[in-house]
Amino acid sequence: SQTIHQWPATLVQPVGSPLSLECTVEGTSNPNLYWYRQAAGRGLQLLFYSVGIGQISSEVPQNLSASRPQDRQFILSSKKLLLSDSGFYLCAWRSGAVSTEAFFGQGTRLTVV
Amino acid sequence: LAKTTQPISMDSYEGQEVNITCSHNNIATNDYITWYQQFPSQGPRFIIQGYKTKVTNEVASLFIPADRKSSTLSLPRVSLSDTAVYYCLVGRPSNTGKLIFGQGTTLQVKP
Repeated sequence: SQTIHQWPATLVQPVGSPLSLECTVEGTSNPNLYWYRQAAGRGLQLLFYSVGIGQISSEVPQNLSASRPQDRQFILSSKKLLLSDSGFYLCAWRSGAVSTEAFFGQGTRLTVV
Repeated sequence: LAKTTQPISMDSYEGQEVNITCSHNNIATNDYITWYQQFPSQGPRFIIQGYKTKVTNEVASLFIPADRKSSTLSLPRVSLSDTAVYYCLVGRPSNTGKLIFGQGTTLQVKP
């Protein structure tokens, strides 16, 4: 069966520090991968998505970046965090051409202080 | 991508049937309608998906009229644990990627 792992669960980082959030998927190949951010009490904002290794589409130009070094690995990064980067970060995958059903990780609660 | 419009919030009581309607006037021929449920501090969870008419599973029913410009998620006999945010998405199984979530409908079930 397919599983998605996202870590860490919570993170407190100072302003200006770097960020690296990792997401891995098991049990499937060539998934579509997504990074979302959710501010408190708000909806999900699509940050990046990827349909294949090295293919990254950015939805929101800001100080975040994403990479997909392997088929089932998706990394969200920042060189210098801002206070406004605080939020709940979610990784998700779906089997592109087969279904519109997406599967989400447990999320990372990031607080920038 | 078709834009969706849902009510921001709804209240209900335990045991009632809840219907949440989503408008998607620009739905394309190959688009499917998918609903997700999200609890606080968790990722959204797939509830149901449909293309036309009616779809039912163990959790909910999805009603889609012939013109497909709207859809209604029906939750039978809700309980307190159904308090969550419900999202309607419109899109197609495709390798071109995007999944865009709207603001969703916050359902509050009261005792």
